[in-house]
Amino acid sequence: AQKVTQAQTEISVVEKEDVTLDCVYETRDTTYYLFWYKQPPSGELVFLIRRNSFDEQNEISGRYSWNFQKSTSSFNFTITASQVVDSAVYFCALSGYNQGGKLIFGQGTELSVKP
Amino acid sequence: DSGVTQTPKHLITATGQRVTLRCSPRSGDLSVYWYQQSLDQGLQFLIHYYNGEERAKGNILERFSAQQFPDLHSELNLSSLELGDSALYFCASSVKDSRLPQETQYFGPGTRLLVL
Repeated sequence: AQKVTQAQTEISVVEKEDVTLDCVYETRDTTYYLFWYKQPPSGELVFLIRRNSFDEQNEISGRYSWNFQKSTSSFNFTITASQVVDSAVYFCALSGYNQGGKLIFGQGTELSVKP
Repeated sequence: DSGVTQTPKHLITATGQRVTLRCSPRSGDLSVYWYQQSLDQGLQFLIHYYNGEERAKGNILERFSAQQFPDLHSELNLSSLELGDSALYFCASSVKDSRLPQETQYFGPGTRLLVL
């Protein structure tokens, strides 16, 4: 079975703090794909990043960085120098190689960045 | 803006009724996916269509059905509505058949359904 766990339900930080959102996944597929999506208060789901299981390089995009560790089945997301506009619910998702494109989402982490 | 459009944005209806949600994928995308987001179940995959054919089914109730038309837009039909069907329904699209390799899914703005 496939599963994504985001243990942090809510996180509150003050602007300019760094924050890490945790994501742990379970899958029996040897090839799989991991994603992060952002859901701002307006409700839409915005794609942030995709990572293939065979590519363990970490990635940085501006203030965002992602740490993929196959050994611990984790795909954590760090926001550096957080801003109020980062306030949103963040979802980690998993898709297996032969799962018909189905995304399995975690429960989401609600990030609140206060000025 | 992801390029995926969904109509209507909001829908209020009564129990027992039937509604149709519409989705237009991004230009060039052949795959359409439907997801339901509710407070108790979170984000759940419902169904995937590729170029008019059903590819995968998730936790979709028998009261729900979907189809993808030759112009690639898709409709999700919800019938005999119950209070528990109140949710945000998302459509997503990707370029091709996502059995392999997995293509990124881009989501529309969603249709918020309220069943009274």
